[in-house]
Amino acid sequence: SQQGEEDPQALSIQEGENATMNCSYKTSINNLQWYRQNSGRGLVHLILIRSNEREKHSGRLRVTLDTSKKSSSLLITASRAADTASYFCATADAGGTSYGKLTFGQGTILTVHP
Amino acid sequence: DGGITQSPKYLFRKEGQNVTLSCEQNLNHDAMYWYRQDPGQGLRLIYYSQIVNDFQKGDIAEGYSVSREKKESFPLTVTSAQKNPTAFYLCASSIDSRVADTQYFGPGTRLTVL
Repeated sequence: SQQGEEDPQALSIQEGENATMNCSYKTSINNLQWYRQNSGRGLVHLILIRSNEREKHSGRLRVTLDTSKKSSSLLITASRAADTASYFCATADAGGTSYGKLTFGQGTILTVHP
Repeated sequence: DGGITQSPKYLFRKEGQNVTLSCEQNLNHDAMYWYRQDPGQGLRLIYYSQIVNDFQKGDIAEGYSVSREKKESFPLTVTSAQKNPTAFYLCASSIDSRVADTQYFGPGTRLTVL
């Protein structure tokens, strides 16, 4: 099963509304990252939050991390039509392998209607 | 401009043929990765390379091969042994694979088996 699982699978909102996406994972992590993918394109890194951090901001993005619940959320405030994309969380395991492996979830498809 | 390039953007293969996907980066990154993405799914790791002349299998390496003769280049060959190769292939790089940090992605190659 996926290490990171996003919820909801799809989200449809109006421009100006806030969008919240959640990610749950199973093992201890070093960090958790959020990426964005426009249809048919590569992924773009949005934000990285380390296991000892609880909240991080970047522009209209706010990410929270609750390691006790093994979950993270991505909030996009004042959404725009240009935010329409798929959003993926990716986790980096805390131990075991020594390389920078990321495990990706299945993503949330966000549609922002103008 | 620094970045990762992948070519071709679209590739068609007949059954039984091997095909090679190109990935080049000028970011001076040590680590490079190949992922496969199926429709509506997250990314799955095929192979990764931490340094020149070294590479390791990821989660779904069967039917694929790679080489890392130069720091800038990490080509992926999809062999005839790969039973279901139709997918979107993404290449990525990161500064140092010892720490799971930000990965930078190319635009992807869409492979279709005819």
